[in-house]
Amino acid sequence: GESVGLHLPTLSVQEGDNSIINCAYSNSASDYFIWYKQESGKGPQFIIDIRSNMDKRQGQRVTVLLNKTVKHLSLQIAATQPGDSAVYFCAESLYSSASKIIFGSGTRLSIRP
Amino acid sequence: GAGVSQSPSNKVTEKGKDVELRCDPISGHTALYWYRQRLGQGLEFLIYFQGNSAPDKSGLPSDRFSAERTGESVSTLTIQRTQQEDSAVYLCASSSVRDGEQYFGPGTRLTVT
Repeated sequence: GESVGLHLPTLSVQEGDNSIINCAYSNSASDYFIWYKQESGKGPQFIIDIRSNMDKRQGQRVTVLLNKTVKHLSLQIAATQPGDSAVYFCAESLYSSASKIIFGSGTRLSIRP
Repeated sequence: GAGVSQSPSNKVTEKGKDVELRCDPISGHTALYWYRQRLGQGLEFLIYFQGNSAPDKSGLPSDRFSAERTGESVSTLTIQRTQQEDSAVYLCASSSVRDGEQYFGPGTRLTVT
């Protein structure tokens, strides 16, 4: 199946530090990007999204950065907490609400106490 | 029940048998997606339904896989002549055209013995 490339399988972060999860996407025509969080045994949960006409978007403790020049997406989590432990996926789509969404392979974030 | 539901939650079947997986999307959501997630891997797009448009079947891995959706409600994913490589969690998601945010069900864990 199709997939967005994601190269870091595991990220270990000290509790309280900031986390940065990176993603490289493949389709330069993609218009819409999303980050999801998946906890063990559950389906993915939407975290934050960004459209291609923006390069930064902030949510609660999370920031998504988009660099279209190099087709790179990142998720920053401020003051990482134990509850942030999960697998994080980036995903891309051609349109925000009218086309299929393709997922990357995921990064596991583990928090050190 | 406001979320996406899937049934069964677990399915064990013998190689060569057919299986049907069911997804009940959130009421009013016109878009419905099926994904496959193998253990420790990302989500692999399978098929996408949007309203009354022809479904995007580009992710189906073989002609053993098919899916149907009745209007904007229930969808079934059918796998014929199951193989061990079909063992995975099958996730369903739905979204509205208005905001595009996907809501995932808990998934069906399929084990082919």
